[in-house]
Amino acid sequence: DADVTQTPRNRITKTGKRIMLECSQTKGHDRMYWYRQDPGLGLRLIYYSFDVKDINKGEISDGYSVSRQAQAKFSLSLESAIPNQTALYFCATSPSGRAHRDTQYFGPGTRLTVL
Amino acid sequence: RKEVEQDPGPFNVPEGATVAFNCTYSNSASQSFFWYRQDCRKEPKLLMSVYSSGNEDGRFTAQLNRASQYISLLIRDSKLSDSATYLCVVNTNTGNQFYFGTGTSLTVIP
Repeated sequence: DADVTQTPRNRITKTGKRIMLECSQTKGHDRMYWYRQDPGLGLRLIYYSFDVKDINKGEISDGYSVSRQAQAKFSLSLESAIPNQTALYFCATSPSGRAHRDTQYFGPGTRLTVL
Repeated sequence: RKEVEQDPGPFNVPEGATVAFNCTYSNSASQSFFWYRQDCRKEPKLLMSVYSSGNEDGRFTAQLNRASQYISLLIRDSKLSDSATYLCVVNTNTGNQFYFGTGTSLTVIP
């Protein structure tokens, strides 16, 4: 079984719709992240959370919100989707403790298309 | 200025060739450095961490030059299965945010 799962894997929606992307992990990691990937721009951080009560904005948080429902779950919402939010979205986790040496483990990605 | 910059390539090399990628980072306070591999439409996966003294894992060698703020990845005896995009990733000690380069595309040709 995958350690980091994302649902849905693919989604096509229309402008103005509310969308939620979900991420679950069984790795027991405290830290969770949401990124989007666009061609030529690499991965950019949207939000991150270091524990259930901690939420931080990343580089490109406008138009997005998150919820950390439990240590294992971190959801990303697009309140009113727009076409330039069409991208590949990745959830990632990392353990805490040896902070700056820890690596990230990614989910399989959600391909979102906003028409 | 971007936190992490990489030559996007593409690099097209024959099997058995040696190829090197470089990556520069802007924040001198950066503490952790990584190379990730990403296959088309798949998630990034850790290839190797990069340590100050440099490190080797089979055909892969990573080097860190703090004075010049760059990281390199050397792949020897390239295999067809090495074809992928290689992402340079840097983590600062302050916010524990990971900064990704845009990736360097490698295609190994038979």
